[in-house]
Amino acid sequence: GAVVSQHPSWVICKSGTSVKIECRSLDFQATTMFWYRQFPKQSLMLMATSNEGSKATYEQGVEKDKFLINHASLTLSTLTVTSAHPEDSSFYICSARDHGRGRGIHEQYFGPGTRLTVT
Amino acid sequence: DQQVKQNSPSLSVQEGRISILNCDYTNSMFDYFLWYKKYPAEGPTFLISISSIKDKNEDGRFTVFLNKSAKHLSLHIVPSQPGDSAVYFCAASEGGITGGGNKLTFGTGTQLKVEL
Repeated sequence: GAVVSQHPSWVICKSGTSVKIECRSLDFQATTMFWYRQFPKQSLMLMATSNEGSKATYEQGVEKDKFLINHASLTLSTLTVTSAHPEDSSFYICSARDHGRGRGIHEQYFGPGTRLTVT
Repeated sequence: DQQVKQNSPSLSVQEGRISILNCDYTNSMFDYFLWYKKYPAEGPTFLISISSIKDKNEDGRFTVFLNKSAKHLSLHIVPSQPGDSAVYFCAASEGGITGGGNKLTFGTGTQLKVEL
C-alpha cells in the first residue's frame, strides 16, 4: 500500500511553453501533498505544500505564479511549470501524506519523480 | 544555506561489513530526524527515524544514532547487503513526530555501494 505515482516520468519541452506534472496517491487519500525539486547532486528542496481544496503554501523563493499547484481532489495534485526556461530543468518529486495511517511525519510517501528538460 | 549536510557523497562497503552513513545539521530547532533510501527512478522510501529525546533507535539491521550536542546523526547498517546499494538521504523536521508543518529538510544524499 501507500503508492504514489507521477506522470509523466520524463518530459522535454521548449522554452516558453508550459508543462503539467501529475501526482496521484493510488491507494489512499492524501489531504496534504508536497512538491520537491532536486538538482543534480543536491538535496530535495521543498517547493510547496498543497492541501486539498485550498491554496498551496509556497516556500520562500519559489515563484507561485510560475509553479502553479492545484490539489483538486484527495488523490490528485498537479504542478504546472509555466513559461518554462532551461533553468527550470530539474527533477521534480511529489509526496503525499497519509493521515489515515497515523500522525507521524514519516507517513509521507514519495512518487518516483519527473525529469523535466527545457530546451 | 544547507541546514542538513551529508559530507560524503559516496561510500563503498564490502558485503557483510558495517555501513556508516553520517549526517550533520545546523538548525537547533530540528527535533525529529529521518533516513530515506532511494533507488534510481524511484521516490525515496522511509527507512528509520529518531526523536531528539532519544539517542538511539534500532530496527533490524538498521540503527540510527543521534548526538544532539554535536548536531550529528548516523545510520548504521549491519550486516550490509548488496540490496542496500542505494542513495541514502537524511532529513530533519521541527515539531516532533507529528512534524508540525510537515516540512522535511533533506541532506544531499550519500550513494552507498555494497560490493560482493
